[in-house]
Amino acid sequence: SQELEQSPQSLIVQEGKNLTINCTSSKTLYGLYWYKQKYGEGLIFLMMLQKGGEEKSHEKITAKLDEKKQQSSLHITASQPSHAGIYLCGAGLEYGNKLVFGAGTILRVKS
Amino acid sequence: GAGVSQSPRYKVAKRGQDVALRCDPISGHVSLFWYQQALGQGPEFLTYFQNEAQLDKSGLPSDRFFAERPEGSVSTLKIQRTQQEDSAVYLCASSPQLGEQFFGPGTRLTVL
Repeated sequence: SQELEQSPQSLIVQEGKNLTINCTSSKTLYGLYWYKQKYGEGLIFLMMLQKGGEEKSHEKITAKLDEKKQQSSLHITASQPSHAGIYLCGAGLEYGNKLVFGAGTILRVKS
Repeated sequence: GAGVSQSPRYKVAKRGQDVALRCDPISGHVSLFWYQQALGQGPEFLTYFQNEAQLDKSGLPSDRFFAERPEGSVSTLKIQRTQQEDSAVYLCASSPQLGEQFFGPGTRLTVL
Protein backbone atom coordinates (compact mmCIF):
# COMPACT_ATOMS: atom_id res chain seq x y z
CA SER A 1 0.00 0.00 0.00
CA GLN A 2 1.25 3.52 -0.72
CA GLU A 3 -0.35 4.59 2.55
CA LEU A 4 2.36 2.75 4.46
CA GLU A 5 5.98 3.10 3.46
CA GLN A 6 8.52 0.61 4.72
CA SER A 7 12.26 1.09 4.62
CA PRO A 8 14.57 -0.35 3.67
CA GLN A 9 13.08 -2.62 0.98
CA SER A 10 15.75 -5.21 1.70
CA LEU A 11 18.55 -5.67 4.13
CA ILE A 12 21.52 -8.02 4.42
CA VAL A 13 23.25 -8.10 7.79
CA GLN A 14 26.02 -10.13 9.31
CA GLU A 15 24.92 -12.47 12.07
CA GLY A 16 25.18 -10.75 15.43
CA LYS A 17 24.57 -7.24 14.08
CA ASN A 18 21.66 -5.01 15.06
CA LEU A 19 19.18 -3.66 12.54
CA THR A 20 16.15 -1.39 12.31
CA ILE A 21 13.16 -1.43 9.95
CA ASN A 22 10.89 1.58 9.66
CA CYS A 23 7.22 1.97 8.81
CA THR A 24 5.81 5.43 8.07
CA SER A 25 2.25 6.59 7.45
CA SER A 26 0.85 9.92 6.32
CA LYS A 27 -2.23 9.26 8.43
CA THR A 28 -2.81 8.57 12.10
CA LEU A 29 -2.42 4.90 12.86
CA TYR A 30 -5.22 3.11 14.71
CA GLY A 31 -3.14 0.15 15.76
CA LEU A 32 0.16 -0.88 14.22
CA TYR A 33 0.98 -4.53 13.69
CA TRP A 34 4.27 -6.17 12.86
CA TYR A 35 4.23 -9.53 11.11
CA LYS A 36 6.91 -11.84 9.78
CA GLN A 37 6.46 -13.94 6.65
CA LYS A 38 8.59 -16.70 5.22
CA TYR A 39 8.35 -17.35 1.48
CA GLY A 40 5.27 -19.36 0.61
CA GLU A 41 3.82 -19.12 4.10
CA GLY A 42 1.31 -17.04 5.97
CA LEU A 43 2.00 -14.13 8.29
CA ILE A 44 3.23 -14.73 11.81
CA PHE A 45 2.13 -12.11 14.34
CA LEU A 46 4.99 -10.40 16.17
CA MET A 47 3.61 -7.38 18.01
CA MET A 48 0.76 -4.90 18.17
CA LEU A 49 1.14 -1.26 19.23
CA GLN A 50 -1.75 1.08 19.88
CA LYS A 51 -0.70 3.96 22.07
CA GLY A 52 1.62 6.76 21.06
CA GLY A 53 5.00 6.22 22.66
CA GLU A 54 4.31 2.53 23.24
CA GLU A 55 7.21 0.10 23.10
CA LYS A 56 7.06 -3.68 23.21
CA SER A 57 9.75 -6.34 23.21
CA HIS A 58 9.78 -10.04 22.55
CA GLU A 59 13.04 -11.91 22.79
CA LYS A 60 15.45 -9.85 20.69
CA ILE A 61 12.84 -7.84 18.80
CA THR A 62 11.63 -4.43 19.97
CA ALA A 63 8.92 -2.34 18.31
CA LYS A 64 8.05 1.28 19.01
CA LEU A 65 5.20 3.55 17.96
CA ASP A 66 6.08 7.23 17.93
CA GLU A 67 4.16 9.83 19.93
CA LYS A 68 2.27 11.16 16.94
CA LYS A 69 1.29 7.61 15.98
CA GLN A 70 2.47 7.94 12.43
CA GLN A 71 5.69 5.97 12.46
CA SER A 72 6.89 2.71 13.92
CA SER A 73 10.26 1.03 14.06
CA LEU A 74 11.22 -2.60 14.52
CA HIS A 75 14.64 -3.22 16.01
CA ILE A 76 16.40 -6.59 16.10
CA THR A 77 19.34 -6.98 18.44
CA ALA A 78 22.15 -9.46 17.71
CA SER A 79 20.50 -10.87 14.59
CA GLN A 80 20.44 -14.61 13.97
CA PRO A 81 19.75 -16.67 10.82
CA SER A 82 16.33 -17.49 12.28
CA HIS A 83 15.42 -13.81 11.97
CA ALA A 84 15.60 -13.98 8.17
CA GLY A 85 12.34 -13.44 6.32
CA ILE A 86 9.99 -10.69 5.22
CA TYR A 87 8.85 -8.19 7.82
CA LEU A 88 5.53 -6.49 7.20
CA CYS A 89 3.92 -3.63 9.03
CA GLY A 90 0.15 -3.45 8.94
CA ALA A 91 -2.05 -0.67 10.25
CA GLY A 92 -5.62 0.34 10.76
CA LEU A 93 -5.85 3.73 9.07
CA GLU A 94 -9.47 4.21 9.93
CA TYR A 95 -11.58 2.92 12.74
CA GLY A 96 -12.44 -0.69 12.15
CA ASN A 97 -10.58 -3.88 11.53
CA LYS A 98 -9.33 -3.52 7.96
CA LEU A 99 -5.54 -3.47 7.76
CA VAL A 100 -3.36 -1.92 5.11
CA PHE A 101 0.16 -3.26 4.76
CA GLY A 102 3.50 -1.94 3.69
CA ALA A 103 5.34 -3.68 0.86
CA GLY A 104 7.60 -5.50 3.30
CA THR A 105 11.29 -5.56 4.14
CA ILE A 106 13.29 -8.61 3.10
CA LEU A 107 15.88 -9.50 5.72
CA ARG A 108 18.78 -11.81 5.07
CA VAL A 109 21.21 -12.72 7.83
CA LYS A 110 24.64 -13.94 6.77
CA SER A 111 26.37 -16.48 8.99
CA GLY B 1 -5.37 -27.80 14.54
CA ALA B 2 -5.69 -24.55 16.43
CA GLY B 3 -4.74 -22.18 13.62
CA VAL B 4 -6.39 -20.82 10.49
CA SER B 5 -6.36 -23.35 7.66
CA GLN B 6 -6.80 -22.77 3.95
CA SER B 7 -7.36 -25.11 1.04
CA PRO B 8 -6.14 -25.83 -1.47
CA ARG B 9 -2.61 -24.60 -0.78
CA TYR B 10 -1.89 -24.38 -4.49
CA LYS B 11 -4.27 -23.99 -7.40
CA VAL B 12 -3.51 -23.81 -11.10
CA ALA B 13 -6.37 -22.67 -13.30
CA LYS B 14 -6.73 -22.05 -16.99
CA ARG B 15 -7.85 -18.57 -17.95
CA GLY B 16 -11.62 -18.42 -17.85
CA GLN B 17 -12.09 -21.14 -15.25
CA ASP B 18 -13.91 -20.57 -11.98
CA VAL B 19 -12.09 -21.28 -8.70
CA ALA B 20 -13.17 -21.59 -5.07
CA LEU B 21 -10.81 -21.05 -2.17
CA ARG B 22 -11.70 -22.20 1.32
CA CYS B 23 -10.84 -20.74 4.72
CA ASP B 24 -11.39 -22.42 8.09
CA PRO B 25 -10.93 -19.77 10.78
CA ILE B 26 -10.01 -20.34 14.40
CA SER B 27 -13.05 -21.65 16.23
CA GLY B 28 -15.06 -18.89 17.86
CA HIS B 29 -13.45 -16.05 15.93
CA VAL B 30 -16.07 -13.52 14.96
CA SER B 31 -14.14 -11.64 12.31
CA LEU B 32 -12.80 -13.07 9.06
CA PHE B 33 -10.77 -11.28 6.42
CA TRP B 34 -9.56 -12.07 2.92
CA TYR B 35 -6.42 -10.45 1.51
CA GLN B 36 -4.68 -10.73 -1.85
CA GLN B 37 -0.88 -10.68 -1.96
CA ALA B 38 0.91 -10.14 -5.25
CA LEU B 39 4.52 -11.23 -5.59
CA GLY B 40 6.84 -8.86 -3.76
CA GLN B 41 4.03 -6.84 -2.24
CA GLY B 42 2.23 -6.68 1.06
CA PRO B 43 -1.26 -8.15 1.42
CA GLU B 44 -4.14 -6.02 0.15
CA PHE B 45 -7.56 -6.12 1.78
CA LEU B 46 -10.37 -7.75 -0.17
CA THR B 47 -13.31 -8.25 2.18
CA TYR B 48 -14.36 -8.60 5.82
CA PHE B 49 -17.03 -10.61 7.62
CA GLN B 50 -18.36 -10.27 11.10
CA ASN B 51 -20.04 -13.60 11.75
CA GLU B 52 -22.06 -14.25 8.59
CA ALA B 53 -22.44 -10.60 7.65
CA GLN B 54 -20.16 -9.22 4.96
CA LEU B 55 -19.52 -5.74 6.35
CA ASP B 56 -16.91 -4.53 3.90
CA LYS B 57 -16.23 -5.70 0.37
CA SER B 58 -14.60 -2.53 -0.86
CA GLY B 59 -11.37 -4.33 -1.76
CA LEU B 60 -12.84 -6.86 -4.18
CA PRO B 61 -11.26 -5.93 -7.53
CA SER B 62 -14.19 -6.79 -9.76
CA ASP B 63 -17.60 -8.39 -9.79
CA ARG B 64 -15.88 -11.66 -10.71
CA PHE B 65 -14.87 -11.94 -7.05
CA PHE B 66 -17.42 -13.17 -4.56
CA ALA B 67 -17.05 -14.21 -0.92
CA GLU B 68 -19.44 -15.85 1.48
CA ARG B 69 -19.54 -17.08 5.06
CA PRO B 70 -23.06 -18.49 5.33
CA GLU B 71 -22.89 -19.93 8.85
CA GLY B 72 -20.44 -17.50 10.34
CA SER B 73 -17.57 -19.99 10.33
CA VAL B 74 -16.02 -21.38 7.13
CA SER B 75 -15.64 -18.89 4.29
CA THR B 76 -15.24 -19.36 0.56
CA LEU B 77 -13.73 -16.89 -1.88
CA LYS B 78 -14.89 -17.55 -5.42
CA ILE B 79 -13.33 -16.09 -8.52
CA GLN B 80 -15.25 -16.45 -11.75
CA ARG B 81 -13.72 -16.44 -15.23
CA THR B 82 -10.18 -16.17 -13.85
CA GLN B 83 -7.71 -13.85 -15.56
CA GLN B 84 -3.92 -13.87 -15.45
CA GLU B 85 -3.90 -10.78 -13.23
CA ASP B 86 -5.75 -12.82 -10.58
CA SER B 87 -2.56 -14.83 -9.99
CA ALA B 88 -1.55 -14.14 -6.40
CA VAL B 89 -1.52 -15.61 -2.92
CA TYR B 90 -4.91 -15.34 -1.23
CA LEU B 91 -4.65 -15.04 2.54
CA CYS B 92 -7.38 -15.54 5.06
CA ALA B 93 -7.21 -14.14 8.60
CA SER B 94 -9.50 -14.36 11.60
CA SER B 95 -9.70 -12.45 14.85
CA PRO B 96 -11.84 -12.64 17.99
CA GLN B 97 -13.42 -9.19 17.57
CA LEU B 98 -10.85 -6.45 17.42
CA GLY B 99 -7.09 -6.56 17.47
CA GLU B 100 -4.65 -9.15 16.30
CA GLN B 101 -5.46 -11.00 13.10
CA PHE B 102 -4.29 -14.60 12.80
CA PHE B 103 -3.35 -15.55 9.27
CA GLY B 104 -3.61 -18.84 7.42
CA PRO B 105 -0.85 -20.20 5.15
CA GLY B 106 -2.53 -18.86 2.03
CA THR B 107 -3.59 -20.32 -1.31
CA ARG B 108 -1.24 -19.66 -4.21
CA LEU B 109 -3.34 -19.23 -7.36
CA THR B 110 -1.68 -19.40 -10.74
CA VAL B 111 -3.78 -18.59 -13.79
CA LEU B 112 -2.32 -19.80 -17.09
